[in-house]
Amino acid sequence: QSVLTQPPSVSAAPGQKVTISCSGSSSNIGNNYVSWYQHLPGTAPKLLIYDNNQRPSGIPDRLSGSKSGTSATLGITGLQTGDEADYYCGTWDSSLSGWVFGGGTKLTVL
Amino acid sequence: EVHLVESGGGLVQPGRSLTVSCTASGFSFGDYAMSWVRQAPGKGLEWVAFIRSKAYGGTTEYAASVKGRFTISRDDSKSIAYLQMNSLKTEDTAVYICTRDRIHCSGGSCYIYYMDVWGKGTTVTVSS
Repeated sequence: QSVLTQPPSVSAAPGQKVTISCSGSSSNIGNNYVSWYQHLPGTAPKLLIYDNNQRPSGIPDRLSGSKSGTSATLGITGLQTGDEADYYCGTWDSSLSGWVFGGGTKLTVL
Repeated sequence: EVHLVESGGGLVQPGRSLTVSCTASGFSFGDYAMSWVRQAPGKGLEWVAFIRSKAYGGTTEYAASVKGRFTISRDDSKSIAYLQMNSLKTEDTAVYICTRDRIHCSGGSCYIYYMDVWGKGTTVTVSS
């Protein structure tokens, strides 16, 4: 059971938009910064969003992040088949004095 | 180019020890905090351990599942981070991935802000 809650899977058609939610508590999302990661099995995970809504260099603007209270959301517009992957949210948990990930969401582009 | 390459994984019996390494290149290793993250078969990512840079005391944090059994360390002269794993259990079977961390300081403590560089991982299998 992960400290952060994500839907196990989401799906949408190519060109459409999808959102992935990440729910936590005041000890983690509510008082710390959220980041998002993309992982294709067998490859190195990649940072997509940091500081709740900032994109690193090279990440396209069709990806976005937001945070409200104890929840965060990753949005992806203009879906492409190459976006099929597992997506994880993460943040520091002040009560645990450790980093926590969501359980991961598998994105399928139909 | 910035790279992290893990090594040292393998098959080990329950109760035994193993040390995995993460060799960094392309950046000033000593300036950064580092973490180990693992992914068990069919499961999601799980953070394991974190070590701050010497500038922030070189102190460490551990997940409850490994505290007292695992030790993270670093050799800045060699640009290597280590994870020593003792008293291994079958549930420690996973791909072990190292990350470069950005940290944030607030209220006198410094903690992981985000993980900006990841390796591909090394596989550890604990089985008799």
